[in-house]
Amino acid sequence: DTAVSQTPKYLVTQMGNDKSIKCEQNLGHDTMYWYKQDSKKFLKIMFSYNNKELIINETVPNRFSPKSPDKAHLNLHINSLELGDSAVYFCASSQDSNIQYFGAGTRLSVL
Amino acid sequence: AQSVTQPDIHITVSEGASLELRCNYSYGATPYLFWYVQSPGQGLQLLLKYFSGDTLVQGIKGFEAEFKRSQSSFNLRKPSVHWSDAAEYFCAVGAGGGSYIPTFGRGTSLIVHP
Repeated sequence: DTAVSQTPKYLVTQMGNDKSIKCEQNLGHDTMYWYKQDSKKFLKIMFSYNNKELIINETVPNRFSPKSPDKAHLNLHINSLELGDSAVYFCASSQDSNIQYFGAGTRLSVL
Repeated sequence: AQSVTQPDIHITVSEGASLELRCNYSYGATPYLFWYVQSPGQGLQLLLKYFSGDTLVQGIKGFEAEFKRSQSSFNLRKPSVHWSDAAEYFCAVGAGGGSYIPTFGRGTSLIVHP
């Protein structure tokens, strides 16, 4: 059983399109995150949700909108995709120990 | 503000040689410290963590790290590297509390020569 699963693994799309990435965790954790990893492997936090409520929203364009239907799911919707959005997006979850459990990532390529 | 510095972008070692990856942090209180490994095409996986107690911590895959408060360091070591250890390694600093966001270093890419 995969603890944190995200779909799709690869996403290739044209500029201007709208796309979503889904994330689910079966660890019973209260907190979920979205990270963006650029081509130089730098990992940047985008959003954090605790029990379905947004607690961290770093400087991210408002084209990015997270949605948490329940505490096991945190989806990422991206409107009007741009070339600079190409990256690997990671979902993660954690509980009290602050250890992050990561999904395998979604590689987004915007053409 | 907390920060993490991994001064080496790339490290190249021969298989069987020893390894040390450097990590320096800046944090106002006693930090929670982590090392994660990212294999190609995969997400990050926790190697080991330090919260308190013994400053030498053991992790998975034969890795260990030592917390040195006086040097603000948490270097990762392995006595004998295997080809499968080739990956990206991230040091991170955090604090207690489930919703606290850890700060990650920029990563060190480990290359292993046969």
